[in-house]
Amino acid sequence: EPEVTQTPSHQVTQMGQEVILRCVPISNHLYFYWYRQILGQKVEFLVSFYNNEISEKSEIFDDQFSVERPDGSNFTLKIRSTKLEDSAMYFCASRLGSGYEQYFGPGTRLTVT
Amino acid sequence: KNQVEQSPQSLIILEGKNCTLQCNYTVSPFSNLRWYKQDTGRGPVSLTIMTFSENTKSNGRYTATLDADTKQSSLHITASQLSDSASYICVVSEGTGANNLFFGTGTRLTVIP
Repeated sequence: EPEVTQTPSHQVTQMGQEVILRCVPISNHLYFYWYRQILGQKVEFLVSFYNNEISEKSEIFDDQFSVERPDGSNFTLKIRSTKLEDSAMYFCASRLGSGYEQYFGPGTRLTVT
Repeated sequence: KNQVEQSPQSLIILEGKNCTLQCNYTVSPFSNLRWYKQDTGRGPVSLTIMTFSENTKSNGRYTATLDADTKQSSLHITASQLSDSASYICVVSEGTGANNLFFGTGTRLTVIP
């Protein structure tokens, strides 16, 4: 069964460094999402992406965040200058179309030291 | 403000027993409600999805109910197993084009032998 994959599974970085989290959505899906979950807290929406552009973003998704679909298969989340409070699990999700189920990847645990 | 509240926060039950988890929401406009199971360190996996017109849906030992008038849902787990130990998250989809998801904080279920 097709699934969303994410790499790396765990990323450790120093404060102020840039990180890129990678996702490979299910191949025929058209809508892509990033969510984050700080340890012990609920999953929070970051951004949705459709037709090669951001369709919606939350207050969390400020100027230090960016997303890209560089090659038609990968979907990346870049954090330009990481802060301690960026430490969280980051989940990528994709769905086929409007009204369809979102499928989540296994997540990348980001630890900022 | 769109919110999803769940109770209890955590629950410990004996293997073989039943339990019921609760979800209240204020998301509007409403599209659908999902219950997800999230194992520690993994992405959420969908258990059930219900639209406005559905008031009960089963998936094996999981039965979800929805009262769209009172904006409440429940997830009933029958004959619990050790593998049911996980967080159960209620997620409500907004009825707009972006279909954004609003997550509850989850109920942490522990099944003990």
